[in-house]
Amino acid sequence: QVQLQQSGAELVKPGSSVKISCKASGYTFTSYDMHWIKQQPGNGLEWIGWIYPGNGNTKYNQKFNGKATLTADKSSSTAYMQLSSLTSEDSAVYFCARSWRYGGYCFDYWGQGVMVTVSS
Amino acid sequence: DIVMTQSPTSMSISVGDRVTMNCKASQNVGSNVDWYQQKTGQSPKLLIYKASNRYTGVPDRFTGSGSGTDFTFTISNMQAEDLAVYYCMQSNSYPPTFGGGTKLELK
Repeated sequence: QVQLQQSGAELVKPGSSVKISCKASGYTFTSYDMHWIKQQPGNGLEWIGWIYPGNGNTKYNQKFNGKATLTADKSSSTAYMQLSSLTSEDSAVYFCARSWRYGGYCFDYWGQGVMVTVSS
Repeated sequence: DIVMTQSPTSMSISVGDRVTMNCKASQNVGSNVDWYQQKTGQSPKLLIYKASNRYTGVPDRFTGSGSGTDFTFTISNMQAEDLAVYYCMQSNSYPPTFGGGTKLELK
C-alpha cells in the first residue's frame, strides 16, 4: 500500500535551516509529483510547491521562493524540503502529499506531517 | 492567486443531520475542485475530486457538486466520525489554493 513516512519533529533556532524528509513506498516514486503543504497552528492549508522525482523538475508558490528548496533522491524514494532563514512565521506542520492528475489534480496520499518549531 | 471562500466557517450539527457547505472561487476554476477532510491531529484525507467524483472507498453519504465558481459539499446522514474540518481546494491554476475550512461540531 502507498505510504509517505515523514521525518520527526524539529526544534530549530531563528535564522537557521532545516531539512525534512518524506519517504515513499508502495508505488513508483518517479511517476508522481510530490507536493509540500504548510499548515500553521489553527490555520488552513498553504501550498508550497511540487517536485517531479522522475526528472527533478520543480514548481514553487512564489511566496516560498527563496524559503523552500525541494529535492528528491530516486535511489531511496525520498523527497526532501529544506527551509532556510527560519523565523517564527515558519513554525508550522509541513505535509508531503502525492498528487495524481485528472485535468486538475488532487492529493490522494499524505504524509503524517512534521511539526517545525522555530524558537531561540 | 485564486481565493477560495468557504461558508460557513463552522456548523453545530447532530448525528443524522444533512450537512451542506459551500465554496466560492474568486474566478472560474472549471471543475478542478477537490474536498478534503481533516480530523484533529491527522493529515487531510481526499474525499471528492473534480468537483463531484467520490474517491475510492469514500462512503456515498459524501457528495460534491458545482462548477465554475460555486461548489457545494454535502454529508447526507452525518455520523459522529464525520466530525472534522472540511477544506475545498482548486487546482485550476497555480498556485493551488485552499479554502479556510468549515468545522463541524456537535450541537
